[in-house]
Amino acid sequence: GIQVEQSPPDLILQEGANSTLRCNFSDSVNNLQWFHQNPWGQLINLFYIPSGTKQNGRLSATTVATERYSLLYISSSQTTDSGVYFCAVKAGTALIFGKGTTLSVSS
Amino acid sequence: EAQVTQNPRYLITVTGKKLTVTCSQNMNHEYMSWYRQDPGLGLRQIYYSMNVEVTDKGDVPEGYKVSRKEKRNFPLILESPSPNQTSLYFCASSLSRGIGETQYFGPGTRLLVL
Repeated sequence: GIQVEQSPPDLILQEGANSTLRCNFSDSVNNLQWFHQNPWGQLINLFYIPSGTKQNGRLSATTVATERYSLLYISSSQTTDSGVYFCAVKAGTALIFGKGTTLSVSS
Repeated sequence: EAQVTQNPRYLITVTGKKLTVTCSQNMNHEYMSWYRQDPGLGLRQIYYSMNVEVTDKGDVPEGYKVSRKEKRNFPLILESPSPNQTSLYFCASSLSRGIGETQYFGPGTRLLVL
């Protein structure tokens, strides 16, 4: 089945710093989503981005489907950005999740 | 407000005591599913439903049952819970099962089975 790998596994930042999170997938996909899991466990949709680039405030994402990767950019990070970031791709009827990147932003 | 709701949010129970976790969505979505999240294993699909009265197994269905009698509701049933079912459970829905559909997740249910 499709393998989804995320890097780095952990990231520690000072408030105001920028970061790039990476998601590699092993097969062609046409459905890729980024999620943020906040410290209370809630999963929040960030982007549905099978290809191209999207931006939402301080967050943006780029997927290069032909090269099988996606990037999530966080600019001017804030403490509320802390949590785990997951990418997930659709395989059949299920979303296949990566293991996530745990981001800690300190003030 | 468009949302997926789950109840209860937190549950502590004992081995063998039947329980049900409810899931409801108000977006008229056809497709609903359940996932469990475990440390080191990520999120894995338990069951899914493509429409009313249509359900099927996901990757880790053992020990669980589901039903889909109404479009908006998709309860997860643990007939005889065991400690290895201690986990964080998510319900999700999307307009259809299509590849291009965004899935929306509920707030999660933390279950501890003693």
